[in-house]
Amino acid sequence: GESVGLHLPTLSVQEGDNSIINCAYSNSASDYFIWYKQESGKGPQFIIDIRSNMDKRQGQRVTVLLNKTVKHLSLQIAATQPGDSAVYFCAENIRGSARQLTFGSGTQLTVLP
Amino acid sequence: NAGVTQTPKFQVLKTGQSMTLQCAQDMNHEYMSWYRQDPGMGLRLIHYSVGAGITDQGEVPNGYNVSRSTTEDFPLRLLSAAPSQTSVYFCASSRAYLETQYFGPGTRLLVL
Repeated sequence: GESVGLHLPTLSVQEGDNSIINCAYSNSASDYFIWYKQESGKGPQFIIDIRSNMDKRQGQRVTVLLNKTVKHLSLQIAATQPGDSAVYFCAENIRGSARQLTFGSGTQLTVLP
Repeated sequence: NAGVTQTPKFQVLKTGQSMTLQCAQDMNHEYMSWYRQDPGMGLRLIHYSVGAGITDQGEVPNGYNVSRSTTEDFPLRLLSAAPSQTSVYFCASSRAYLETQYFGPGTRLLVL
């Protein structure tokens, strides 16, 4: 899962396996969540989002699951490929707050051949 | 479309110097924002704008100024650079807040 600090959590998976990246949030007023992918030396890239009135949302090879009871968000990547190696961030919007997202520190995903 | 562009890609400053980081987008997006990214940390919002002529502070605005005279451009000014401002700076834009944000490639800033 994600945490604030100098060292990113890391996840290593074999090519072809499924990856699960976790994110915990603390504010029950958070109503919108986004996953971003950031490759080395590049800006973050939108992957998928989910609103708090949903539990699950699927995209191409990716699924986001939201568990509001335990304030937990996960990103599942099916059949992980070498191009999936990157840092993955979750971001949340807190309902009623100023129009700004709060980002997690990220998880480094490494795909092994 | 070029998307979101940022210049320069890399800059070295001495403490006390000022400079402007440029950001432009050609997607006619209303919402633009500036983030800084430090090692092992998530993106932190510096300033944002919901349209031309409107700006507001984010989480870490001290030491930075912004203006939004046109829809396309959103420059970030460092008034008097400090070593604590050494970071990677990202500009982002979206049609509106909570719509998909598109990020620029970033500017790496080193303050000595």
